[in-house]
This record gives sequence, C-alpha cells and structure tokens, in this order.
Amino acid sequence: DAGVIQSPRHEVTEMGQEVTLRCKPISGHDYLFWYRQTMMRGLELLIYFNNNVPIDDSGMPEDRFSAKMPNASFSTLKIQPSEPRDSAVYFCASSFTGVASYEQYFGPGTRLTVT
Amino acid sequence: SQQGEEDPQALSIQEGENATMNCSYKTSINNLQWYRQNSGRGLVHLILIRSNEREKHSGRLRVTLDTSKKSSSLLITASRAADTASYFCATGPYNQGGKLIFGQGTELSVKP
Repeated sequence: DAGVIQSPRHEVTEMGQEVTLRCKPISGHDYLFWYRQTMMRGLELLIYFNNNVPIDDSGMPEDRFSAKMPNASFSTLKIQPSEPRDSAVYFCASSFTGVASYEQYFGPGTRLTVT
Repeated sequence: SQQGEEDPQALSIQEGENATMNCSYKTSINNLQWYRQNSGRGLVHLILIRSNEREKHSGRLRVTLDTSKKSSSLLITASRAADTASYFCATGPYNQGGKLIFGQGTELSVKP
C-alpha cells in the first residue's frame, strides 16, 4: 500500500485566497483525521471522520475552516479565506479500528505558508 | 486542550546511552501510544500499550503505563544517532473510538 497520500506537499498563497488540502487514506481504514502542527501550539486535532461521517470538529479553529469526506478514499480540508496565522504543517492520518487497533498512519503533510 | 504532557521537552545524550521520556495525562484512556517524528516528516507509530497492560517491549523500546498515576514512560536502550527525532505520546480517550490526543513531544538528540 502507498500509505496516506497528501497533496500538495507545499502551498504558498496570499492572504484572502482559498486553500484546499487533499488526502487519500489507506484503503480499508475507517477513521480519518486532520491535524495541524505549529511550533507554538504543537500537534492539534482539527476534525475526524468515522466511515466518512464527521464525528468531532471541535478542533476546527473557526468558520473559515471546513472539511469533507465524500467517500472512503478522499477527504479535503478547505480554508477560505486564508490568513497568515493559518501557516502550519497540516497532516492527514487514517486508522483501522476493526480489530481494536488504534494506531494512526500519517501522511507526509502539507506545508502551508500564507503571506 | 492537550491531554498528554511530556517531560523532558528536550534530551541530549551520547550514542549507546539509554533515553527515557515521560508522559502524563489527565483523563481515562483506552490506550496510550508513542510516535516518532523526524524533521519535516509525518509521525510514525512506534508502540501501543492498552489500559490493562503495564509494560510492553518492542526491540530497543520499552513502554510502561501506570494508570493510577496517569503516566507512561518510553525507554530507548542503546541509542543510536539515527534515533534523533521528536517523540510524542498520544492518548486514546475512553469511549472515543480511534481519536488520539497528542502531547507536545520530547526532542531527542543522540550525539555520535
């Protein structure tokens, strides 16, 4: 398996622009997670899905952030409009809990810079 | 809010020495996991210990869990320069499925 795939790997955009981050989880996994990592705040859980349904979005910083999972193979995290404080590395991770295994597999991340 | 708090924040040792990192958490958990992150990369799962386990080994890794003290430790024996990375503990809250809450991490530097 190719692992969790994220695109783009790097994104540089101007303040006010819309940004869309993409994630393809590992086939067969039933959970998908979006995290944000910064030096100041560490690794923060933004939102997670179970079987394509959002379960907990309490970590989403504000209404500018939205996430979707239209099917088991694809998820997006959108920021509109983007702000400089959104600059961070965004990780997607997936896991399979069918055998009570809770380990998460992380993608390589998308480094977002908002100028 | 962060569930796991790690100690120390940074650790520098010589190759061949053992490295011990500690993690404390606040609420009831289903499991506790340790992850490693090399600079600029995604996190990689190292080891999982369930709430009814007290100790677990995997190669040069040894994890302990004390649920009465809400704490865990990760021991890396005979460290190597390649072990240089950030190490994170992550707790799986009870009854919240696959969700994990990550600590701030310990930055380990192993000098050759």
